[in-house]
Amino acid sequence: DAGVTQSPTHLIKTRGQQVTLRCSPISGHKSVSWYQQVLGQGPQFIFQYYEKEERGRGNFPDRFSARQFPNYSSELNVNALLLGDSALYLCASSETGQGNTIYFGEGSWLTVV
Amino acid sequence: AQSVTQLDSQVPVFEEAPVELRCNYSSSVSVYLFWYVQYPNQGLQLLLKYLSGSTLVESINGFEAEFNKSQTSFHLRKPSVHISDTAEYFCAVSPYGGATNKLIFGTGTLLAVQP
Repeated sequence: DAGVTQSPTHLIKTRGQQVTLRCSPISGHKSVSWYQQVLGQGPQFIFQYYEKEERGRGNFPDRFSARQFPNYSSELNVNALLLGDSALYLCASSETGQGNTIYFGEGSWLTVV
Repeated sequence: AQSVTQLDSQVPVFEEAPVELRCNYSSSVSVYLFWYVQYPNQGLQLLLKYLSGSTLVESINGFEAEFNKSQTSFHLRKPSVHISDTAEYFCAVSPYGGATNKLIFGTGTLLAVQP
């Protein structure tokens, strides 16, 4: 079975631009989360979506937004990119319920220049 | 709020030696506990987790971690490491209750196994 898949794997954007990152969860998983991992740090929680509704949001500005589609795939959008947005963006999926294993994709490397 | 502290940013060790990676957490509510491993240029993989029951949990590749509630710790150990264990290890917690199934990570510990 396919794991969590993300696209694109690498991209370079200019300050002020907008970016969309995509994620397909493991089949059967209805919960999708997004994390930002800056080089040398642990991942930071951005959003969780379950059944197309936002269930949680981390301490990120409104420039960050996300949505989940009927097939449970998800997009993360970041507007007005800053140099500090350069990071590895990880998507994760899990089955319903707390304590279930959260599975991560390999991430999208975003470089803002 | 929850926080996770991994005091050692890097742990160098020789092959076949034992290793312990330390993790302490702070939380006003009960939490689930996890260790994830990240190999170079890859995503995170679950190594082991503690939900309830026996405080000692084991992974399939020889790692183990023990939950100590009084010390709010969840240290990771392996009696004999291999070169292939070289990776970044992240401790994480997930709070009970609430609508969000999220992980709060520590800053990671780089395990550098030398021949």
